[in-house]
Amino acid sequence: NAGVTQTPKFRILKIGQSMTLQCTQDMNHNYMYWYRQDPGMGLKLIYYSVGAGITDKGEVPNGYNVSRSTTEDFPLRLELAAPSQTSVYFCASSYSGGEGEKLFFGSGTQLSVL
Amino acid sequence: QKEVEQDPGPLSVPEGAIVSLNCTYSNSAFQYFMWYRQYSRKGPELLMYTYSSGNKEDGRFTAQVDKSSKYISLFIRDSQPSDSATYLCAMTPSGTYKYIFGTGTRLKVLA
Repeated sequence: NAGVTQTPKFRILKIGQSMTLQCTQDMNHNYMYWYRQDPGMGLKLIYYSVGAGITDKGEVPNGYNVSRSTTEDFPLRLELAAPSQTSVYFCASSYSGGEGEKLFFGSGTQLSVL
Repeated sequence: QKEVEQDPGPLSVPEGAIVSLNCTYSNSAFQYFMWYRQYSRKGPELLMYTYSSGNKEDGRFTAQVDKSSKYISLFIRDSQPSDSATYLCAMTPSGTYKYIFGTGTRLKVLA
């Protein structure tokens, strides 16, 4: 099983450029999440989705946008990239979003904004 | 004060040692406690899950939760070089799926 697949694995952007981080899952999970992981800061929730067509902000949404047109896909859009967005980005999914439910993570996208 | 505090390490131990990893938290509403293991350049994967207070054992791993002290622990017995990874604690209050993660402790088990 593929699980949660993220592309690309690495990317370098110039300040002001935009890009889309792709995330797809093949487990028919309803809930999907985008996190960023910075050294010494843990995982911070950017956006999440409880199903196709429904998204909501997490802790650190500024500078990002998401959409969820299908159950499988949950892309993260960066507009006007800034150095503060240099981070490792993880997409995750869970079946029903139940309390303490297991999150399945992708292998991450390492993004540098220079 | 952060909601969840975790010593970042690194923690280096010899093979076969007992490892103790810990997190403290401030929000008494947390009910679900998890430990995720993250290998270098990989996403986290769930290792242990505990609801409320108590112990849970799975092979060489034991998770403990002490809600009165707001303190959780992960013990690894007979540690192996393959246990070398970053261990993140995570927790959620009841009624929400919004996880709060610790910063992670980097563990290195020396052969």
